[in-house]
Parts: sequence; C-alpha cells; structure tokens
Amino acid sequence: ETGVTQSPTHLIKTRGQQVTLRCSSQSGHNTVSWYQQALGQGPQFIFQYYREEENGRGNFPPRFSGLQFPNYSSELNVNALELDDSALYLCASSFKGTGNYGYTFGSGTRLTVV
Amino acid sequence: QKEVEQDPGPLSVPEGAIVSLNCTYSNSAFQYFMWYRQYSRKGPELLMYTYSSGNKEDGRFTAQVDKSSKYISLFIRDSQPSDSATYLCALGTEGNNRLAFGKGNQVVVIP
Repeated sequence: ETGVTQSPTHLIKTRGQQVTLRCSSQSGHNTVSWYQQALGQGPQFIFQYYREEENGRGNFPPRFSGLQFPNYSSELNVNALELDDSALYLCASSFKGTGNYGYTFGSGTRLTVV
Repeated sequence: QKEVEQDPGPLSVPEGAIVSLNCTYSNSAFQYFMWYRQYSRKGPELLMYTYSSGNKEDGRFTAQVDKSSKYISLFIRDSQPSDSATYLCALGTEGNNRLAFGKGNQVVVIP
C-alpha cells in the first residue's frame, strides 16, 4: 500500500508567476484535501475534492484552485503568486465515510516565492 | 479569538520525563479531537484521536478531552529522543471537511 506522494518537493517561483503542485492519494482513498502550512504555524485548510468536485473551501482567494482526476490524484494551482504564499503545501487523502481522523498526509511541497 | 489556541513555545525535556501539551478551543461544535506528530521535513502523522470527553491511552500516549472547558491535552510518558518532533492538535466536526489545527509545539527530548 503506497502512501500520499507529492511533487515537487521544493520549488522556487517569482512573485506574479503561477504554480501547479501535484498529489497522488493513498490507495483506496477517494478524497483529497489541501493545506497550507506557513513557517511556525499549523496547517490551514485550503479546500477538499471529492468525486472530482470541490467539497468545501477555507478562507483562501480564488487564485487558489484545484482539480481532482478520476484516479483520485489532485492538483493545486496558485496564480499571481505573492510573497506570503511561501509555505509548505500539504496534501491529505482520506476515504469519505471514515471521518476526519482518516487523513493521511504527504510530506509536502515547500514553495518559496521571491 | 482564534478557533484553536496552542502555545507554540518549544519544550525541552530530559529522556524519561513526562511531556504535557495542551490546546484550547472556542467552537463548541468540534466533535473530533486529534493529535498529530510532525517530524522535520515530513507531513503530519496521526497519533491519537478521541471523540468524547475523557481519557484515551495508547502505549506511552494519553489524550485527554474536557469538552466543558474546551480543553484538550496530550501526555507522553517515559519520553524518548525519537519523540522529538512538533505536535499539533487538530479539531473537526461531523460532516465538515476541514480540520482546524493549533500552531504546534516543538518538543526536544534530550538523551
């Protein structure tokens, strides 16, 4: 059984650019959630995808968008990058029906915006 | 007032000591209470979860929830150097998709 894998592990982008982060969910999981973790902070919920549709969103602007594919993998897209977008982006997969405690997190993508 | 408060101050303890961590929360709708452990350069991993007030033990770890005081705790007995990590409390509600995390406590267990 494979866990959650995220790519790339590190990324440096310039302010104003666009970025796409990728996540492969754990085998058997059908839901993917994305979190942003700034340095020294706890993860903040961005959104969740279930059945290829957004299924809940946190307090993030529309320039944060996502996709879920039929194989349950997911992408997080961020447009018009700002310096404050520098953070660790975590993907978590789960099986809908097990409740929140069924989350498995990936190791994250460290995004630096300069 | 933030949804979840966790004093982020680092904690250094000698090996074998008891580690005590806690969080307070403001939203009485929270029903799931979790503790995650996050090693450096890794994602959080679920350590403990509870659904109701009271204690739950798992080996050297005890999670405690007091819903009336909106207060949750994690105790680590006989701490080991391998317990050195950041510990995050996380809370969720039935039917809601998101977890609300605390800021995390960095724990260092000194051999």
